[in-house]
Amino acid sequence: GQSLEQPSEVTAVEGAIVQINCTYQTSGFNGLFWYQQHAGEAPTFLSYNVLDGLEEKGRFSSFLSRSKGYSYLLLKELQMKDSASYLCGPNTDKLIFGTGTRLQVFP
Amino acid sequence: EPEVTQTPSHQVTQMGQEVILRCVPISNHLYFYWYRQILGQKVEFLVSFYNNEISEKSEIFDDQFSVERPDGSNFTLKIRSTKLEDSAMYFCASSEPDPPMEQYFGPGTRLTVT
Repeated sequence: GQSLEQPSEVTAVEGAIVQINCTYQTSGFNGLFWYQQHAGEAPTFLSYNVLDGLEEKGRFSSFLSRSKGYSYLLLKELQMKDSASYLCGPNTDKLIFGTGTRLQVFP
Repeated sequence: EPEVTQTPSHQVTQMGQEVILRCVPISNHLYFYWYRQILGQKVEFLVSFYNNEISEKSEIFDDQFSVERPDGSNFTLKIRSTKLEDSAMYFCASSEPDPPMEQYFGPGTRLTVT
C-alpha cells in the first residue's frame, strides 16, 4: 500500500528554525519532493532528494532516509513570508501529496 | 522565466454541462499532468500524459474526464458532465524528460459548478 504522513500544523516565530517531518510508504520510489503552497496559489518546487542525506539550498534544507521512509524539511531564519503549506511527495512517476503541513510564522 | 499558463482563471458552470480547462505547458517539457484541489483539502493527482497518451491516472479520473493535446502547445482537461463535487481548483503541471523531473505548476483554474 501507499501512505504519507505529515503533521497538520506547525507554528514558529520569525528568525527561528523549524523542522517539518514526512514519513512515507510507497512502491517504485524514485525520490522525494518538497513543495511550498501559499493559500490560493499553486505549489512551487522547493527540493528533491534521491539519495540519503541532507541537501542544502539557502535557508531551506531537506533530508532523506530511504531505508526509514523518512524525510524532513528544515527552514532556517524564518520569515513571515514562509507562512504556507509544505507538501512532501514521493516521486513514483506521479506526485502523490499528503494534506501537507501548514506553517504559521509569528512575529 | 518560462511558466505554465492556464485559462480561464475562473470558470462557473451549471451541473451537467461540459467544461474544457486549458493549459499551455513549458515549451520543452514532455510530461504533462492535471491535479485538483478541493477547497481546504489536499492536492490530488488526476492524470499524467506523455508521448500523446495517458501514462497514469487516478481513480478520480473516470469516464467523465478526458485529456488531449490538440496541438503542439495546448494541453486540455475536459469534464463531460460536471457534478457539484467537481468544484475545485484544477492545476496543470509539466516537467522535463530528464531527472529530477520536478513539476512546474500553473496558477490553476477555479471551477465552480452550480
